[in-house]
Amino acid sequence: GNSVTQMEGPVTLSEEAFLTINCTYTATGYPSLFWYVQYPGEGLQLLLKATKADDKGSNKGFEATYRKETTSFHLEKGSVQVSDSAVYFCALGPRNSGNTPLVFGKGTRLSVIA
Amino acid sequence: DGGITQSPKYLFRKEGQNVTLSCEQNLNHDAMYWYRQDPGQGLRLIYYSQIVNDFQKGDIAEGYSVSREKKESFPLTVTSAQKNPTAFYLCASSTMGQGFYNEQFFGPGTRLTVL
Repeated sequence: GNSVTQMEGPVTLSEEAFLTINCTYTATGYPSLFWYVQYPGEGLQLLLKATKADDKGSNKGFEATYRKETTSFHLEKGSVQVSDSAVYFCALGPRNSGNTPLVFGKGTRLSVIA
Repeated sequence: DGGITQSPKYLFRKEGQNVTLSCEQNLNHDAMYWYRQDPGQGLRLIYYSQIVNDFQKGDIAEGYSVSREKKESFPLTVTSAQKNPTAFYLCASSTMGQGFYNEQFFGPGTRLTVL
């Protein structure tokens, strides 16, 4: 079946540090891949996405590349800010499956300290 | 503005009472979803609906009920049979994909506290 595994947190970084949050997946075919961000007390917001192998999604300084050979979609940012403190979820959407629910990882909490 | 509305943001109920959480979307999306999130936990799927007048159980449907009488609305009822209903509830919607999967859009959530 389809599944997503992401690194457990919490992750604590100093401002301007480099961020990597690992995400690997198991799926039949070639799913679409997503990163969502959840700020305290809010719903999830789409951060970036990639729909095919070697696609790079990017937004607000965050990047992730769809790696079919390693079944990974790691989230990176070169210089984090205090405002990036949030919970990050990796998710996959099966291809050609219509509107079946996304499969989410368990989330990684990031805390950035000044 | 297009989006998903959940109301109220905070809801308090006494134990043993049923309570209905509202979710409305004006994105013209076909599918809608309900998730539950507990402190420090990920998302767990309660119910989803791919089309009006049809819905499917998710991973933790026991103690919950839904209806989908209109495309834009997908209310969730937390019944007294739900053993531990205090949680953060998230509603989402999505369009039908065109060969690839379209993302889900989320509402701001409702925090339910049962006293």
